[in-house]
Amino acid sequence: NAGVTQTPKFQVLKTGQSMTLQCAQDMNHEYMSWYRQDPGMGLRLIHYSVGAGITDQGEVPNGYNVSRSTTEDFPLRLLSAAPSQTSVYFCASSTTSGGFQETQYFGPGTRLLVL
Amino acid sequence: QKEVEQDPGPLSVPEGAIVSLNCTYSNSAFQYFMWYRQYSRKGPELLMYTYSSGNKEDGRFTAQVDKSSKYISLFIRDSQPSDSATYLCAMHHAGGTSYGKLTFGQGTILTVHP
Repeated sequence: NAGVTQTPKFQVLKTGQSMTLQCAQDMNHEYMSWYRQDPGMGLRLIHYSVGAGITDQGEVPNGYNVSRSTTEDFPLRLLSAAPSQTSVYFCASSTTSGGFQETQYFGPGTRLLVL
Repeated sequence: QKEVEQDPGPLSVPEGAIVSLNCTYSNSAFQYFMWYRQYSRKGPELLMYTYSSGNKEDGRFTAQVDKSSKYISLFIRDSQPSDSATYLCAMHHAGGTSYGKLTFGQGTILTVHP
C-alpha cells in the first residue's frame, strides 16, 4: 500500500493564480480531510469528507474548494491564491467507527508559497 | 481563546531524561484524546490515543487524561535522540456537527541531545 499520497511536494504561485492540490489514498478509507499547518498554529481543518459525494467545511474553508467523486481521491482547489495561503498542506484519511475516528493517516504534505 | 492550548516550547533535554508534554482544553465535550508525532518535513503519525480519563502506557510512552481539569499529558521515559520531533495533541468528540473533526494543539518541538 502507498498509503496517502500528495502532489506536488512543493509549489510556488503568484497571487491570483489557481491550482489543485492532489490527494489519493489506497486504503479504502471513507473519511478524508485537508489541513493546513502554520507556525505556532498547529493543524487547522480546511474541509473534510465522510464519503464519496459528501463534503463539509472545517475551521478555515475560505478560499478553498473540494469535491469527492471517488473514495480514493480528494483534491483541494485554491480558487485565487493569496499570500495568506502560504502554508504546508496535509491530506489525511481514516476509517470511522461509531463516531470515533480511527487512526488518521497523513500524507507527506505539500509546501505552498504564494508570492 | 483556542479550544486546545499547547506550549510550543521548544523543549531541549539530555538523552535519558523524562519528558512531559501537556495540553489544556476548554471544550468539555471532547472524549477522544490523541498524541501525534511529526518528524521534520513529514506528515504527523499517531503515537497514542485514549478515551475519557485515565492512563495508557505503550513502551516508553504514557498518555494521561484528566477530564476534571481538562488537561492531558504525554510522558516519555528514557528519551532518545530519535524522539526529537514535534508532538501534537489532538482531540475530538463523537456525534453532532463536530463528527470526526480533530482539533489540534499548536505542537511542542522536542529535541533530545546525546
